[in-house]
Amino acid sequence: SAVISQKPSRDICQRGTSLTIQCQVDSQVTMMFWYRQQPGQSLTLIATANQGSEATYESGFVIDKFPISRPNLTFSTLTVSNMSPEDSSIYLCSTRGSDYTFGSGTRLTVV
Amino acid sequence: AQKITQTQPGMFVQEKEAVTLDCTYDTSDQSYGLFWYKQPSSGEMIFLIYQGSYDEQNATEGRYSLNFQKARKSANLVISASQLGDSAMYFCAMREGYSTLTFGKGTMLLVSP
Repeated sequence: SAVISQKPSRDICQRGTSLTIQCQVDSQVTMMFWYRQQPGQSLTLIATANQGSEATYESGFVIDKFPISRPNLTFSTLTVSNMSPEDSSIYLCSTRGSDYTFGSGTRLTVV
Repeated sequence: AQKITQTQPGMFVQEKEAVTLDCTYDTSDQSYGLFWYKQPSSGEMIFLIYQGSYDEQNATEGRYSLNFQKARKSANLVISASQLGDSAMYFCAMREGYSTLTFGKGTMLLVSP
């Protein structure tokens, strides 16, 4: 299985600011996925990121709020823009191989 | 309708005992996959076990086994000889075709000494 390094592991941010989360994979992967997990909830897919094309967003998520970059087959970033306390969540990236591997998660608190 | 249903918000088990975490799923696809993940308080998602819809035998990985009953659309996780370190949130998930994963709401497992 691929190994994903996700940074930062946690952050506390002021409302109105933006945070960029990075995921680095140790092998080339076609698709990467970004999930949000609100407190006490399950994982919800934000978007699917393919290299060389715009990300595909799920219902309820928009590019202006969650811009995603996928510059190559081993790297992706998710930005949480103009943050509010409602954005406080764990954000996880994932890839699909023989199983679905996840990064270690970013625990975001917006104050 | 929910694709993945986990009806147990919380489960308690004593150390060294076995525990079953329930998962039922809903799909009309013939080809699908079922996954179980463990999420400790640190937040990472740890892959435990996978069962493909065409697999005839139940999957096993060490102390984890998946009780796959296709006709009943259930994929229960069995943890044998529970350990204190098994205390965590457990998520059942399904992949339909080549799509992404859909997760259940999770079950919090607490293992007591």
